[in-house]
Amino acid sequence: AQSVAQPEDQVNVAEGNPLTVKCTYSVSGNPYLFWYVQYPNRGLQFLLKYITGDNLVKGSYGFEAEFNKSQTSFHLKKPSALVSDSALYFCAVTGDTGFQKLVFGTGTRLLVSP
Amino acid sequence: DVKVTQSSRYLVKRTGEKVFLECVQDMDHENMFWYRQDPGLGLRLIYFSYDVKMKEKGDIPEGYSVSREKKERFSLILESASTNQTSMYLCASSFQGLETQYFGPGTRLLVL
Repeated sequence: AQSVAQPEDQVNVAEGNPLTVKCTYSVSGNPYLFWYVQYPNRGLQFLLKYITGDNLVKGSYGFEAEFNKSQTSFHLKKPSALVSDSALYFCAVTGDTGFQKLVFGTGTRLLVSP
Repeated sequence: DVKVTQSSRYLVKRTGEKVFLECVQDMDHENMFWYRQDPGLGLRLIYFSYDVKMKEKGDIPEGYSVSREKKERFSLILESASTNQTSMYLCASSFQGLETQYFGPGTRLLVL
């Protein structure tokens, strides 16, 4: 069965500094990986996804994620954080073998201070 | 843009009441999903549907049922609400199985 781990409950970063939100996964077959963001009292918004191809995926709002097959990781990154990036971030994975559900991590709260 | 709407943003119900949560998507998506979100647990799949009148149990279907009579609409039903069903409920849809899921704004349900 597939699984996702987001090892940090919260990440704190100063505005203007680079940020990384970590995600590792386990899946049967080739992974399909997603990042979503949730602002307070809102649904999840899609940020980016990896299916195949280039290991560096670019997404919305200046975010990008790096797929690393050997480390089974898909960390979310941004070169320069904004206060408005403060939100809850979810990593999710499914696999291309049979019908597999999308499994979400427990979420990482990003707090960007001015 | 994909639009997924949910009938209520906030609901307060009494224990034992029957509760209906409605979800509508406007992109002719095949698949629709219901999740609940609880702090520290992430999102957990309750039920999903890959076609009209078709439904499949997710990871936590107990105490819930669903209905999909039309392609664009997927309803979650709490037959007899209990306090442990107090949660944020999120609906999502996707075109096909491995495609991106798009989420509605969520319904925050409080069962007293």
